[in-house]
Amino acid sequence: DQQVKQNSPSLSVQEGRISILNCDYTNSMFDYFLWYKKYPAEGPTFLISISSIKDKNEDGRFTVFLNKSAKHLSLHIVPSQPGDSAVYFCAASGAGNNRKLIWGLGTSLAVNP
Amino acid sequence: DTGVSQDPRHKITKRGQNVTFRCDPISEHNRLYWYRQTLGQGPEFLTYFQNEAQLEKSRLLSDRFSAERPKGSFSTLEIQRTEQGDSAMYLCASSAGLAGASYEQYFGPGTRLTVT
Repeated sequence: DQQVKQNSPSLSVQEGRISILNCDYTNSMFDYFLWYKKYPAEGPTFLISISSIKDKNEDGRFTVFLNKSAKHLSLHIVPSQPGDSAVYFCAASGAGNNRKLIWGLGTSLAVNP
Repeated sequence: DTGVSQDPRHKITKRGQNVTFRCDPISEHNRLYWYRQTLGQGPEFLTYFQNEAQLEKSRLLSDRFSAERPKGSFSTLEIQRTEQGDSAMYLCASSAGLAGASYEQYFGPGTRLTVT
């Protein structure tokens, strides 16, 4: 059972436009959410996070929105750049002390010049 | 800037051999995690250390897997009697884990294991 779901395996966007990546979760005990970017043959790179007590967090071109009632979060990248082309993973952390991350399957973003 | 490092980056081994991977976390981080990622999947949690104590092991971690963090700094992950199903990217991450701090985990480049 996939507790964190990224239902779009891929997304293609024009350079300069907005990229919106979506993530849904099923476990209401998750209290912290993170987005990572991953290039092939490299480890994930942390992008941005949000606590469940907030509904928005912004860092430069990246904004994450959290809708707790819908158990849904999204990552907005604006403006999108060709260097943003990568696989984006949504991850969630539970209230337990270990804070292990539960991951979605990822969305492959292609930003076209 | 010393991030998380992992060694080796790639390992090819024959089925039945033992392999050991090393992870050096960010120096001030007291939490260390191992994950495994296969093609088309997100990373899956394997085990977690707080300082030198191994506090949780996933059911994915069979008896052939063992991890240590002897002095609360670097960690090793050993796989005995490797099987083809062990082929994956093994990722190490560290986190500050201080009370009241954020819980971002920072990842190393991974070790790609291929069992032939």
